[in-house]
Amino acid sequence: NAGVMQNPRHLVRRRGQEARLRCSPMKGHSHVYWYRQLPEEGLKFMVYLQKENIIDESGMPKERFSAEFPKEGPSILRIQQVVRGDSAAYFCASSPLGGEASYTFGSGTRLTVV
Amino acid sequence: TQLLEQSPQFLSIQEGENLTVYCNSSSVFSSLQWYRQEPGEGPVLLVTVVTGGEVKKLKRLTFQFGDARKDSSLHITAAQPGDTGLYLCAGLPSYNQGGKLIFGQGTELSVKP
Repeated sequence: NAGVMQNPRHLVRRRGQEARLRCSPMKGHSHVYWYRQLPEEGLKFMVYLQKENIIDESGMPKERFSAEFPKEGPSILRIQQVVRGDSAAYFCASSPLGGEASYTFGSGTRLTVV
Repeated sequence: TQLLEQSPQFLSIQEGENLTVYCNSSSVFSSLQWYRQEPGEGPVLLVTVVTGGEVKKLKRLTFQFGDARKDSSLHITAAQPGDTGLYLCAGLPSYNQGGKLIFGQGTELSVKP
């Protein structure tokens, strides 16, 4: 997992605050995927991005959640006005090519909303 | 929506025993992957199976993809405490929307010495 860097590893936010989760893909990877893992559940797809483009956001909640992958810098998953139900582990994965799912996952960001 | 049903959800065994984890779906997948996840870490890819009927071995782990590419199994021979962890299956849908994976719920394996 060392190649995909996620930060912070742990994030605590009060209800109503904003959470920003960052993901730097492996060198040479231009495809980024975000997944959410709730306690005792498998990973659920949220969004797939390439540089400056959102390719598939079918797993993103309609409100409060957004993602970007700018030309320069890490991919950002942004959660506005967090609620307790947003508490989860958020994982980022990157791959060199889209469509082949040759993923490398990061270590995740554990978000706790208090 | 394609779903992957993984079973059992929890498994606690003694060192030296054998075990099998199953991953089933009513839908066809282009490929299926197995991951292992340690507490506080991200999933680590163990294997990818692509061809129906394919069998892959990784030391004491044997992975099989069903002939119809709808199911898969992971068999561990002579389990060791170091095998303890969360095992996840993940399928790439046959319609392949840009590499989005469908994950099973996971199997929490505990191997006691």
